[in-house]
Amino acid sequence: RKEVEQDPGPFNVPEGATVAFNCTYSNSASQSFFWYRQDCRKEPKLLMSVYSSGNEDGRFTAQLNRASQYISLLIRDSKLSDSATYLCVVMIPGGGADGLTFGKGTHLIIQP
Amino acid sequence: TAGITQAPTSQILAAGRSMTLRCTQDMRHNAMYWYRQDLGLGLRLIHYSNTAGTTGKGEVPDGYSVSRANTDDFPLTLASAVPSQTSVYFCASSDHGTGTYNEQFFGPGTRLTVL
Repeated sequence: RKEVEQDPGPFNVPEGATVAFNCTYSNSASQSFFWYRQDCRKEPKLLMSVYSSGNEDGRFTAQLNRASQYISLLIRDSKLSDSATYLCVVMIPGGGADGLTFGKGTHLIIQP
Repeated sequence: TAGITQAPTSQILAAGRSMTLRCTQDMRHNAMYWYRQDLGLGLRLIHYSNTAGTTGKGEVPDGYSVSRANTDDFPLTLASAVPSQTSVYFCASSDHGTGTYNEQFFGPGTRLTVL
């Protein structure tokens, strides 16, 4: 089983709609969780960290479910500019470097 | 502030040739990383360096070498390129702390094609 799994999509969503996608992780000792955004042919950039109690940043809400070992990202009132690939990132203790493991990403397309 | 830069932006390389991808950061981050990104495989860590003078192997280190002579620079060398090394290469840096996570900042990437 892959350490971090995401539905690759694409998710095709009309502008203004709400969209949510999940990411599952296999290592129960995982400590930190993040969502990165990657635009086409660009570098990944941190979108938001995911805290145990859940957190919100404008139209974006991230949640963590440790019991079921998944994190989620919800985007409300989606904009055309939200079209991108969203990477789930998990920090796994004992991993190389700082232990970050990236999911393969979920491709989101917001349609006018 | 430039942040993190990579050179070249893109390159076509004949198989068997050597090449060094350059990466420079001006944020005084102690940790630096090299990833490759391939369609369907996501980002995979090649090598990393937690501090100047030290390096470590990532998930896919074979065929690549790195050095970290100073804080700012982290070059990646392909000694004898093969077509399977065709990929987009991202360099990243972070202010690495033991037991804590700090945001990784990525460079714009180098698109390498090995023929």
